[in-house]
Amino acid sequence: DQQVKQNSPSLSVQEGRISILNCDYTNSMFDYFLWYKKYPAEGPTFLISISSIKDKNEDGRFTVFLNKSAKHLSLHIVPSQPGDSAVYFCAASVMNSGGSNYKLTFGKGTLLTVNP
Amino acid sequence: DAGITQSPRHKVTETGTPVTLRCHQTENHRYMYWYRQDPGHGLRLIHYSYGVKDTDKGEVSDGYSVSRSKTEDFLLTLESATSSQTSVYFCAISPGGGRDNEQFFGPGTRLTVL
Repeated sequence: DQQVKQNSPSLSVQEGRISILNCDYTNSMFDYFLWYKKYPAEGPTFLISISSIKDKNEDGRFTVFLNKSAKHLSLHIVPSQPGDSAVYFCAASVMNSGGSNYKLTFGKGTLLTVNP
Repeated sequence: DAGITQSPRHKVTETGTPVTLRCHQTENHRYMYWYRQDPGHGLRLIHYSYGVKDTDKGEVSDGYSVSRSKTEDFLLTLESATSSQTSVYFCAISPGGGRDNEQFFGPGTRLTVL
């Protein structure tokens, strides 16, 4: 039972254009969402996050949008650069009874290729 | 970069042998995690720790055990390795205190079980 779904295994875009990576979730208890980027032979690195009380969070070229009613979030990269080519993982967490989100559920990832 | 190291970085072993992977952090973070990454499955949580000697199971814990005797070290043991445990293993840490959503990952250990 996959609670976080990234239905596009891969995405290819031209340099300078917008990249949109999508993520759907099924658990309505998720209240914090994160995006990680992973290059080959390296560990994932944190990219950007959003709390369920917000619908948008922006950090430079990266913006995450959250649509709670649709249980959908997306990561926008504008403008896309060849160095953005990587696997992007969507992750979600649930606030536990102690008040800390300490377990993440990851999607399967989307391979983004930005062509020069 | 968060101070996380994993050892070994690569290991080839035979079915039925015990294997221990080590994660070491210099950040004094409370939470530590072990994940495995497999094609078509993304990252799946094996075990995690929320303090010294405090551990719990993740979604794919069968065949694995963990120990945390010091804040800085989190060990993952495969008691009797099987070919299905061939994978890339990642350790992660998080600080807690409201920021534990953001986990910082180590470089990974590639394990091959023949």
